[in-house]
Amino acid sequence: DTGVSQDPRHKITKRGQNVTFRCDPISEHNRLYWYRQTLGQGPEFLTYFQNEAQLEKSRLLSDRFSAERPKGSFSTLEIQRTEQGDSAMYLCASSLARAGEDTQYFGPGTRLTVL
Amino acid sequence: AQKITQTQPGMFVQEKEAVTLDCTYDTSDPSYGLFWYKQPSSGEMIFLIYQGSYDQQNATEGRYSLNFQKARKSANLVISASQLGDSAMYFCAMREGNFGNEKLTFGTGTRLTIIP
Repeated sequence: DTGVSQDPRHKITKRGQNVTFRCDPISEHNRLYWYRQTLGQGPEFLTYFQNEAQLEKSRLLSDRFSAERPKGSFSTLEIQRTEQGDSAMYLCASSLARAGEDTQYFGPGTRLTVL
Repeated sequence: AQKITQTQPGMFVQEKEAVTLDCTYDTSDPSYGLFWYKQPSSGEMIFLIYQGSYDQQNATEGRYSLNFQKARKSANLVISASQLGDSAMYFCAMREGNFGNEKLTFGTGTRLTIIP
């Protein structure tokens, strides 16, 4: 079990550029989540997938944000026309949906800096 | 109202002492789950312990235990025999309801520093 991985770990971009992050969940997990964490705050939910289906999106996920999980395995989160307010840590988590616990296990995160 | 409240922004504890990190929650749903995560400076959120609202006993995982007081809506994390490696941010989180509401709502965290 290799855990959740995210790529890249750090991204510095200029305002207005597009960025894409990748998340690979734990292999048998069917649920995948994206969260955003700004300095001094806890993570905030953005969206989640069950297999390939995107089942919930937060109001935080503006039209500039899009997430996909095309084959029910890895997921990508794209931010178009980045703004300085998008600077944050983007965390991915995965879980195995079953009755009871359904614990979410997190990856190391992608730290985005928009200049 | 905040769904998860962590009132201790920072705590300093002597090595080998026990420490309690406070967490109160707010929900009207009878079914919910409470989680504690540790976030070292590297950034990764590490799952520590889980308590379901219907669990009769307090959860324990090694040196971690959860002091669950349902009537007071509190879910404090107790770390016994603290170690230098316990220095990190600690987040309490809640998932409300059964399947269909999967997101976690986090508190603002407590920064724990273990003093040698």
